[in-house]
Amino acid sequence: DQQVKQNSPSLSVQEGRISILNCDYTNSMFDYFLWYKKYPAEGPTFLISISSIKDKNEDGRFTVFLNKSAKHLSLHIVPSQPGDSAVYFCAASANNAGNMLTFGGGTRLMVKP
Amino acid sequence: EPEVTQTPSHQVTQMGQEVILRCVPISNHLYFYWYRQILGQKVEFLVSFYNNEISEKSEIFDDQFSVERPDGSNFTLKIRSTKLEDSAMYFCASSPGQMMNTGELFFGEGSRLTVL
Repeated sequence: DQQVKQNSPSLSVQEGRISILNCDYTNSMFDYFLWYKKYPAEGPTFLISISSIKDKNEDGRFTVFLNKSAKHLSLHIVPSQPGDSAVYFCAASANNAGNMLTFGGGTRLMVKP
Repeated sequence: EPEVTQTPSHQVTQMGQEVILRCVPISNHLYFYWYRQILGQKVEFLVSFYNNEISEKSEIFDDQFSVERPDGSNFTLKIRSTKLEDSAMYFCASSPGQMMNTGELFFGEGSRLTVL
């Protein structure tokens, strides 16, 4: 099942620079997208979400962009901080599937001081 | 800050044994979920629960799995006869309402199940 894909298993960024994490999806029924962050030995923590009626949502250092025609979304973190080092999961939901989330495989972000 | 709590943090069991994983969702939340992550694989949806019944379930959630909210606070996942491939981290989550309106699911720290 590859409905949500994160093609980069890892990303290394210098502190203060921008981190861009990418996510692609195939299911055109997806209409709500979320990013979660996960530290080792903890559960996923919600970061930011976007509805399919928008193309951008911003919350502090985090911005999510949605390109529906390309079935692509990205998470921008700027400026990146060492505490941002974690695994980031993209997730998607279809309105006809209630609250069921389909997750991508995750991207491990390492922010170097 | 309210949080979802899960017990046990780690359980080791023999194949064929029954296992119950417990969760205390955030108190005013109405929707409850179980997800799992097999080592090295994606987080996968198992089941969602609302108004004391299953609202959705995945193909993974077969007859050996069941969920229950026995006392209005705990939310349990029972695996009736464990198999080796059930070894995974099991995450409980809750949300106050429909995700489109409320934004996100709140996850617990997970229960690691090891089946020998």
